[in-house]
Parts: sequence; C-alpha cells; structure tokens
Amino acid sequence: EAQVTQNPRYLITVTGKKLTVTCSQNMNHEYMSWYRQDPGLGLRQIYYSMNVEVTDKGDVPEGYKVSRKEKRNFPLILESPSPNQTSLYFCASKLGDGYTFGSGTRLTVV
Amino acid sequence: GENVEQHPSTLSVQEGDSAVIKCTYSDSASNYFPWYKQELGKGPQLIIDIRSNVGEKKDQRIAVTLNKTAKHFSLHITETQPEDSAVYFCAATRGGSYIPTFGRGTSLIVHP
Repeated sequence: EAQVTQNPRYLITVTGKKLTVTCSQNMNHEYMSWYRQDPGLGLRQIYYSMNVEVTDKGDVPEGYKVSRKEKRNFPLILESPSPNQTSLYFCASKLGDGYTFGSGTRLTVV
Repeated sequence: GENVEQHPSTLSVQEGDSAVIKCTYSDSASNYFPWYKQELGKGPQLIIDIRSNVGEKKDQRIAVTLNKTAKHFSLHITETQPEDSAVYFCAATRGGSYIPTFGRGTSLIVHP
C-alpha cells in the first residue's frame, strides 16, 4: 500500500531533550515536506526537500532540522525542544501534484 | 508570495443540505488548486483538484469551480452526509513550484 509512515504517533518530552520524528514513504517520491498544524493557523511548512541531499526552509523553520540521506526517509529533528513546539506534525510527499500525508505526530513539550 | 484566504472557518449544515467552501488566492501565476479533507485523528487526504485551464470538475457529490479572473475557487458538496464532517483545506500552487500555500481550513459539521 502506498503510504507515508510517521513515528511516533504521540510523544511527550521535556524541554531541551533532543528528539527525532521519523518519516518514510514507499512511493519513490522526490519531494517531501514537514508541516505543523496549530488551531486557527492551518498547515505551516517547516522544511522541504526536493530530492536526496537537497533541503530548504519553509515558513517556520526555527528550532528544527531535517536531513535527506535517502529518497524514502526525511526525519525531523528538534535539537532542543521548547514548549512552543507543542503541535501536531505531518510529513508529506509527492511526485507531481497532490500530497500524500502521514497520519501525524502529536508532540507535547513540557 | 502567495496568500490563500479560506471561508468560512466553521460551517454547520443539516444532513442532505449542500455545503460550499470558498477560497481566494493572490498570485495570478498559481495554476493548481487541490482540496484536502482531514478526518479526526488523521492526516489530510486529497479529495479533488483543478487546474487553471479548467473551470469546473466533478466527482460524484463533490465539485470544484475556479474563477481565474476573480482569483477564487470553491468546493461544493451536495447531499451532505455525517461522514462528510471533517476539516477541509484548500491550497494554491504557483506554476513551476512544488510548494503549495494552504488556506487555514474549514471545519464542516453535518448534523444527522
């Protein structure tokens, strides 16, 4: 089944403790992206990648890092999480037009 | 850059009624307009899209219309059912770009 898989689905962590949210797609898509979703603000792009080793900032990149060493994987790294990064995160990929989204990761930073 | 405005933010209808969600965009170079449906606890899912060389597209109970001159596009759902209850997002993508700009979403509630 064609899909984007994110892990974990839920994560509660403490301020300053480094964490990684993994994202993997099995559709051989070149373009991958990370979004955060907050009430009233919709979907805001954090980072995106056009292909392996090619990444760029989206609208809200502060406090986040990404890497694209393989086509299928696009992890999101929070080096020192803060409470304002508490949010619902989505990974997405596409080849041409519309996105395929993952199921989301709900992150709480206390 | 592109700016997409989506209205209303919340829409409540009775089962069987029609629902219309409207979006406007600012960049005349945008040429691809997808709509996504996000059910509770899930990621957004592409439900219909339209390109700028087409004025209307239908798929069973859903349709999308595009007015390039006025720079707005709309999602129409007929004969709504409780399972249509979800958050709907519109988006616009500039020609040659991979990056869509999303509207802020509309929460559709269909009352049985």
